[in-house]
Amino acid sequence: KAGVTQTPRYLIKTRGQQVTLSCSPISGHRSVSWYQQTPGQGLQFLFEYFSETQRNKGNFPGRFSGRQFSNSRSEMNVSTLELGDSALYLCASRPVSDYGYTFGSGTRLTVV
Amino acid sequence: GQQLNQSPQSMFIQEGEDVSMNCTSSSIFNTWLWYKQDPGEGPVLLIALYKAGELTSNGRLTAQFGITRKDSFLNISASIPSDVGIYFCAGSSNTGNQFYFGTGTSLTVIP
Repeated sequence: KAGVTQTPRYLIKTRGQQVTLSCSPISGHRSVSWYQQTPGQGLQFLFEYFSETQRNKGNFPGRFSGRQFSNSRSEMNVSTLELGDSALYLCASRPVSDYGYTFGSGTRLTVV
Repeated sequence: GQQLNQSPQSMFIQEGEDVSMNCTSSSIFNTWLWYKQDPGEGPVLLIALYKAGELTSNGRLTAQFGITRKDSFLNISASIPSDVGIYFCAGSSNTGNQFYFGTGTSLTVIP
């Protein structure tokens, strides 16, 4: 079966712009989480969605937001981009019965 | 957010050697996960642990859920070149919605 699909794979934006990243979970997975990965901070939890509702949110500013659609696809948005937002953004999904997340390949965002 | 202490930070070993790494937390966790990440890719789940004291294997990999529920261990036996990558532990103290990740162990296997 298809894995977690993230688009785009690479993105370059300038400071002040906004960006939307997309994630299609594995079919049947209703839980989707987003993580930011940087060399200095490692993997940091952004938020988790289940059945279109945000269930958990990490310690990120309000510029980071997300949503989940009825087909479980999820998007995250970052507004007013800063240089420090450059990172690999990872989406992960899991079924209701299992805590083992499956990650996508990520979107590499570079802010210049 | 909370960060798990993972050690060692990096390892350089000869092919065929065994590898051990561990992860500790200041909080009690109910679930531990171990992942491997290759360059340019997302982490891949290796082993999931759900009960204190649990010992689970996946091929040459064996992971244990520490009895204090504040640590976990991963062992790789008879390492091979394709074991190269960064290994992450992840733990959750709630219903599994939010996982905290370790800082990673970078493994290099020398043929």
